[in-house]
Amino acid sequence: GESVGLHLPTLSVQEGDNSIINCAYSNSASDYFIWYKQESGKGPQFIIDIRSNMDKRQGQRVTVLLNKTVKHLSLQIAATQPGDSAVYFCAEKRAAGNKLTFGGGTRVLVKP
Amino acid sequence: DAGVTQSPTHLIKTRGQQVTLRCSPKSGHDTVSWYQQALGQGPQFIFQYYEEEERQRGNFPDRFSGHQFPNYSSELNVNALLLGDSALYLCASSLGHLNEKLFFGSGTQLSVL
Repeated sequence: GESVGLHLPTLSVQEGDNSIINCAYSNSASDYFIWYKQESGKGPQFIIDIRSNMDKRQGQRVTVLLNKTVKHLSLQIAATQPGDSAVYFCAEKRAAGNKLTFGGGTRVLVKP
Repeated sequence: DAGVTQSPTHLIKTRGQQVTLRCSPKSGHDTVSWYQQALGQGPQFIFQYYEEEERQRGNFPDRFSGHQFPNYSSELNVNALLLGDSALYLCASSLGHLNEKLFFGSGTQLSVL
């Protein structure tokens, strides 16, 4: 079936460097994408979202890029901090309803 | 402004038993969705409740059922528990059943022995 997936299960990054987390999706009908951060023992926390009519959106220290041609989504975190250590999930939504389909997650480890 | 709250935080049950999990949505939200998150995996959609009715359902058996109350809070019931039901059960709320921006609670960790 169609799914959202991630290329790298674990990303190790030096504090202060930029992080890039990648996500591939296969459902061309998806019109909304969202990134969540999940720390140990907590629920997913909203980071940033983007609609399919956009290719880039920026937040505080984060940028999401959407390439619909190759069905690819990425999350860039600038100046990664120890507090950014967590598992990051991308999720997609099809046109109807608000059900989100999540990928498997990427663990980001920030080295001091 | 209270966020999404879930209870209990942890629960241990044995196979064949029934369980009820509870969720109060974020203040001002009227839609509740439930997700199951197995260890090391992303959350999987179970169902969504809006206006006290199940509006969408994921690929879960009828053993999984729910309810939404007039105050928008919700319950998830699982009957005839299996070992494979062990997971983190997440509740998410939104303002409107078409609003994709979901706010999640910290979940209920269910262990089935």
